[in-house]
Amino acid sequence: QKEVEQDPGPLSVPEGAIVSLNCTYSNSAFQYFMWYRQYSRKGPELLMYTYSSGNKEDGRFTAQVDKSSKYISLFIRDSQPSDSATYLCAMTLGGSYIPTFGRGTSLIVHP
Amino acid sequence: SAVISQKPSRDICQRGTSLTIQCQVDSQVTMMFWYRQQPGQSLTLIATANQGSEATYESGFVIDKFPISRPNLTFSTLTVSNMSPEDSSIYLCSVGGQGWTGELFFGEGSRLTVL
Repeated sequence: QKEVEQDPGPLSVPEGAIVSLNCTYSNSAFQYFMWYRQYSRKGPELLMYTYSSGNKEDGRFTAQVDKSSKYISLFIRDSQPSDSATYLCAMTLGGSYIPTFGRGTSLIVHP
Repeated sequence: SAVISQKPSRDICQRGTSLTIQCQVDSQVTMMFWYRQQPGQSLTLIATANQGSEATYESGFVIDKFPISRPNLTFSTLTVSNMSPEDSSIYLCSVGGQGWTGELFFGEGSRLTVL
């Protein structure tokens, strides 16, 4: 079993839809949780960063962490074609600089 | 934030040859990271490069195959040696943000195809 599981998709949705992207993990020692967005032929860029269980909102994006279930989610409201990208979850142990990444989920938002 | 430039952006190489990827950062950083991203796979850390010391390699990666140089605080190179088709991948250079927040800044990657 991989430490971080993420469905690669692709996930195809119409413009305006609410998107839910998810990751599960096996190591309960993970403390910091991140979502990166990667456009085609570009490097990943950090979207959201959370530490504790619960929700964190930033514009149309909401990151949710459930440490008891070892489950994290990224919600995108009012999705736009410009949101089409691969979304990678990542998490780190306390005191570590090195995140463990999921495989990434390919999201396609069609007009 | 950090701006990272990688060269080459892509290349097609012959089996058995070696290729060196360059990474230039617009600010001085202590640690630089080299990642591999294979199709359908997660980002995999190859090694951490600190200026003035030997790189630290992750399990499954060895210096003979992926020699790394780090001559100063803004520059690093990764060489992929004696390439085989299995080395076809995207190689990414990365640095951490100011103060540990878990944020990594990535270059745009170098896409290698080995024939």
